[in-house]
Amino acid sequence: EAQVTQNPRYLITVTGKKLTVTCSQNMNHEYMSWYRQDPGLGLRQIYYSMNVEVTDKGDVPEGYKVSRKEKRNFPLILESPSPNQTSLYFCASSLRLAINGELFFGEGSRLTVL
Amino acid sequence: GQQVMQIPQYQHVQEGEDFTTYCNSSTTLSNIQWYKQRPGGHPVFLIQLVKSGEVKKQKRLTFQFGEAKKNSSLHITATQTTDVGTYFCAGPKSNYQLIWGAGTKLIIKP
Repeated sequence: EAQVTQNPRYLITVTGKKLTVTCSQNMNHEYMSWYRQDPGLGLRQIYYSMNVEVTDKGDVPEGYKVSRKEKRNFPLILESPSPNQTSLYFCASSLRLAINGELFFGEGSRLTVL
Repeated sequence: GQQVMQIPQYQHVQEGEDFTTYCNSSTTLSNIQWYKQRPGGHPVFLIQLVKSGEVKKQKRLTFQFGEAKKNSSLHITATQTTDVGTYFCAGPKSNYQLIWGAGTKLIIKP
């Protein structure tokens, strides 16, 4: 089954404790992206990756890191989480965003930073 | 900067009534996409419109792309409880980024 898988789905952590949210897709998609969703603010892009080893900042990259060492995986790293990073995070992938823009989203990871 | 405004923010309807959400872009868009997010769920792609003046139907859902390719609408006829959720529009900001509307939440009155 074609899917985007995120883990963990739910996480409560404390300020400053490094964490990684994993994202994996099985559709051989070139493009992957991370979004955060906050009430009243819609979907905001954190980082995106056009292909292996190619990443770029989205609209709200501060406090986040990403890597794309393999085509299928695109982890989101919070080196020193802070309470303002409490949010619902979505990973998404697309065959090639520019040509076929359909984005496939993971089920989301709800992160709480205390 | 480029903006996509989506209205209304919320719409309360009785089951069986119609629902419409509108997207207006500050710039001409090469295409526009629509997504639906059920409560507690993730956004799911509904459709992409590409041509000026395009109208596409999916059962009770009608999608339109304006002649100037700066606005779009989604109309649902005779809403059902399964239609509940938030509907988002999104257009290209660059080759690798989308700009999203803030979403319209469809609420069915009890």
